[in-house]
Amino acid sequence: QVQLQESGPGLVKPSGTLSLTCAVSGVSISSGDWWTWVRQSPGRGLEWIGEIYHTGRTNYNPSLKRRVTVSVDRSKNQFSLNLNSVTAADTAVYFCARDPANTGRFDFWGQGVLVTVSS
Amino acid sequence: DIQMTQSPSSLSASVRDTVTITCQASQDISNYLNWYQQKPGKAPKLLIYDASKLETGVPSRFTGGGFGTHFTLTIYSLQPEDIATYYCQQFGDLPRTFGPGTKVDIK
Repeated sequence: QVQLQESGPGLVKPSGTLSLTCAVSGVSISSGDWWTWVRQSPGRGLEWIGEIYHTGRTNYNPSLKRRVTVSVDRSKNQFSLNLNSVTAADTAVYFCARDPANTGRFDFWGQGVLVTVSS
Repeated sequence: DIQMTQSPSSLSASVRDTVTITCQASQDISNYLNWYQQKPGKAPKLLIYDASKLETGVPSRFTGGGFGTHFTLTIYSLQPEDIATYYCQQFGDLPRTFGPGTKVDIK
């Protein structure tokens, strides 16, 4: 069974960097799947942040592209999100998810982690 | 970006009712449309993909339809466990975008 688990600090200071990791189990991150970050806040709803393939190829939401980096660590079967220059508007629940074979759907999700941006 | 809208934003129905949620895309996305169910405190769960295909393990009372810019999710014989918020999501183009959600509860 595919499982994803987010981890990282729940509190980040304004202008700082939000860093999260998604540990994947039950499938190799080097399979033909794409690995995705989605966030959810009351003000923005569900927002797709970006995705990565195991080769390192990425796609980002243009609204966040200047501030976001998604990377993959194949040896640890995990991928990560870095979002810099954060503000209160980046406060959200962050989910990682799998897009099987770049089909455009998200079939397995992590449970989500709340990240609050506050001093 | 492709904008997604949903209607209604919320609805209340009785057990065993048939409920229909509508999703509209700002441009033609063919059948590149998925539906998710989200319960409070949980991640979204994939229900329908490619506009009309039922994800494995999802009850057959959930049905998706539509093409182009207009899509529907119908729940036949609504059950208490269907209380949730439902979202559509397009994958016709990047960035992927979601609708604002439709909250369904029981009268």
